[in-house]
Amino acid sequence: EVQLVQSGGGLVRPGGSLRLSCQVSGFSVNNVWMSWVRQTPQKGLEWIGRIKSEYDGGATDFAAAVKGRFTISREDSNNTLYLQMNALKIEDTGVYYCATVTTGPSFDPWGQGTLVTVSS
Amino acid sequence: QSLLTQPPSVSGAPGQRVTISCTGDSSNIGSGNVVNWYQQLPGEAPKLLIYANDNRPSGVPDRFSGSTSGTSASLAITGLQAEDEADYYCQSQEGSVTGHLYVFGPGTKVTVL
Repeated sequence: EVQLVQSGGGLVRPGGSLRLSCQVSGFSVNNVWMSWVRQTPQKGLEWIGRIKSEYDGGATDFAAAVKGRFTISREDSNNTLYLQMNALKIEDTGVYYCATVTTGPSFDPWGQGTLVTVSS
Repeated sequence: QSLLTQPPSVSGAPGQRVTISCTGDSSNIGSGNVVNWYQQLPGEAPKLLIYANDNRPSGVPDRFSGSTSGTSASLAITGLQAEDEADYYCQSQEGSVTGHLYVFGPGTKVTVL
């Protein structure tokens, strides 16, 4: 069964850092394109970044709002995708989802989501 | 501000047909980029409902259908059921000028009367 299970998240001060994890089962995290999407009351669903499969070169791309502050990586040994978030801002507060980029391209499946709160 | 626009809400009685519009422009839907639709039940993650304009993933009832025309797309739900009460989002790709490779609509809340 294909499943994405997320962990990490929590409360962090502005300017702080946080790392989110997305453990994948049912396929290899190296073999697919994956994305992070966040959901906030202000902007709704917002795509923030993606990583291409190893076969396609493994490059990452980010939305302008997080470029230079967020990075995406993966670890083959534990089949996990990561989102490293630095220099966090209050407006980064929201629920963060990992998702597989599939036919379309579309996002399917999604992780269960994890809440990130940036507040002083 | 979303690059795709959707009505905030639509409603219908059980058994009725409702449609949700998704309007873009020449930099997204109008460029030939496909439209996907997601259903988000309360407290859950979004779930893919329609991909590549008019295709249903395995397990999605045929009551749900999608279509596109020009710079717009539509999601239709026929035979509305109580369990269809949820938020629905359209999504497409965007030209790189905006810095967003993928864009979502603001969502439409479907209420079953």
